[in-house]
Amino acid sequence: DAGVIQSPRHEVTEMGQEVTLRCKPISGHNSLFWYRQTMMRGLELLIYFNNNVPIDDSGMPEDRFSAKMPNASFSTLKIQPSEPRDSAVYFCASNIAGLTDTQYFGPGTRLTVL
Amino acid sequence: SQQGEEDPQALSIQEGENATMNCSYKTSINNLQWYRQNSGRGLVHLILIRSNEREKHSGRLRVTLDTSKKSSSLLITASRAADTASYFCATDERNAGGTSYGKLTFGQGTILTVHP
Repeated sequence: DAGVIQSPRHEVTEMGQEVTLRCKPISGHNSLFWYRQTMMRGLELLIYFNNNVPIDDSGMPEDRFSAKMPNASFSTLKIQPSEPRDSAVYFCASNIAGLTDTQYFGPGTRLTVL
Repeated sequence: SQQGEEDPQALSIQEGENATMNCSYKTSINNLQWYRQNSGRGLVHLILIRSNEREKHSGRLRVTLDTSKKSSSLLITASRAADTASYFCATDERNAGGTSYGKLTFGQGTILTVHP
C-alpha cells in the first residue's frame, strides 16, 4: 500500500503566484480531507470530499483557495493569488467514510510564500 | 476555543518514565482518536476509543474516555526516546441526528520530549 501521496513536498513561491498542491488518496478510500497546519492555528480542516463531492468547505479561508476532486484518485488544492500568510504545511488525508473512522495522512506539502 | 484542547502543551520526561496527556472537548462525540506526528511528517493514527467505551489499550498505550467530563487521557508507559513527537487528540462529533459529520476536529497537541 503506497499510502496517501502528496506533491510537491516543498514549494517556494512569490506572493501573487498561483500554487497548486496535489493529492492521491489511498486506493479504495472514498473520503478525502485537506488540512493546513501552522504554529499559530494548529491543524485546520479546509475542505473534505465524499465520493468526489465537496461536503464541507467551511474551513476554506477565502476565495483565493479552491479545491477539486475530478476523480476518486486525485485532488488539487489551488491558491490564487498566494500571500505570505498562506505559508504552512498542507496535509491531505483519506479514509473510507462510515467504515474506517481513522484518517490516513500524507507526508504534507510545505509551502513558503515569499 | 477549539473542540479538542490538549494539556499540557509540552511535556519533557526521561526514558522509562510514563507520559500522560489530556484532552478536553465540548460537544457530543461518536469517538475520540489520538494521533502522533513526528517532526516534519504527517500524522499517524494511534488509537480510537468510541463514546461507549471507557478504556482501551494498545501495546504501551492506554486511553481513557470520560464522556460526562468530556475528557480523555493518553498514557504512554515505559517511554522511549523514539516516542518523542507531538500528540493530538481528534474528535468525531455527533450531529443532531446522532450520526457523524464525517470529519475530525483536532486539538493543538502536546509536544512530548523523551530524553535518553
